Amino acid sequence: GENVEQHPSTLSVQEGDSAVIKCTYSDSASNYFPWYKQELGKRPQLIIDIRSNVGEKKDQRIAVTLNKTAKHFSLHITETQPEDSAVYFCAADSNYQLIWGAGTKLIIKP
Amino acid sequence: DSGVTQTPKHLITATGQRVTLRCSPRSGDLSVYWYQQSLDQGLQFLIQYYNGEERAKGNILERFSAQQFPDLHSELNLSSLELGDSALYFCASSVGTSGRETQYFGPGTRLLVL
Repeated sequence: GENVEQHPSTLSVQEGDSAVIKCTYSDSASNYFPWYKQELGKRPQLIIDIRSNVGEKKDQRIAVTLNKTAKHFSLHITETQPEDSAVYFCAADSNYQLIWGAGTKLIIKP
Repeated sequence: DSGVTQTPKHLITATGQRVTLRCSPRSGDLSVYWYQQSLDQGLQFLIQYYNGEERAKGNILERFSAQQFPDLHSELNLSSLELGDSALYFCASSVGTSGRETQYFGPGTRLLVL
């Protein structure tokens, strides 16, 4: 079946530095790529998404890039802050469903 | 607050028992999704309902079943519970069923099987 691979599984960065999380997907028909953030003990929440007619989308310190040819997309967080510590999930649509990545635990070191 | 509600918040039960988890979607949302999240694990998609009909099935065990009622709330039934069923169970809702809409998650039900 279709799958989404997410790397790394854990990412530790110094506060103020940038963080990049990468995902690859298998379904060439995928058109929708959301990113969800799950803080400890909380529910996952959408932080940004991108559709295949766009190559990049930014929202303040967060950006997502999409390369449809290579079938991968990435989340970029700049000037990381303690509140960015969380697990981040990527996903891609396939056959009317979302296929989820395994998640990346982002640790912000003070 | 996402507008999705789940009850109960916590559930402690014994192996072999049966429990029912309840979810009310956001007003106007027709799709309901159920996910299982074990400790430090990812989101395992279980099942999706759209306007009362089963729409998609993921890695849902035969011991588990779900349904969506005419008022659009949904229930997930877990039976013959095993220790390994201990997890956080999330419900999410979305407007449609294209797979390209935002899914809004509820706060989850934490199930502990002893």
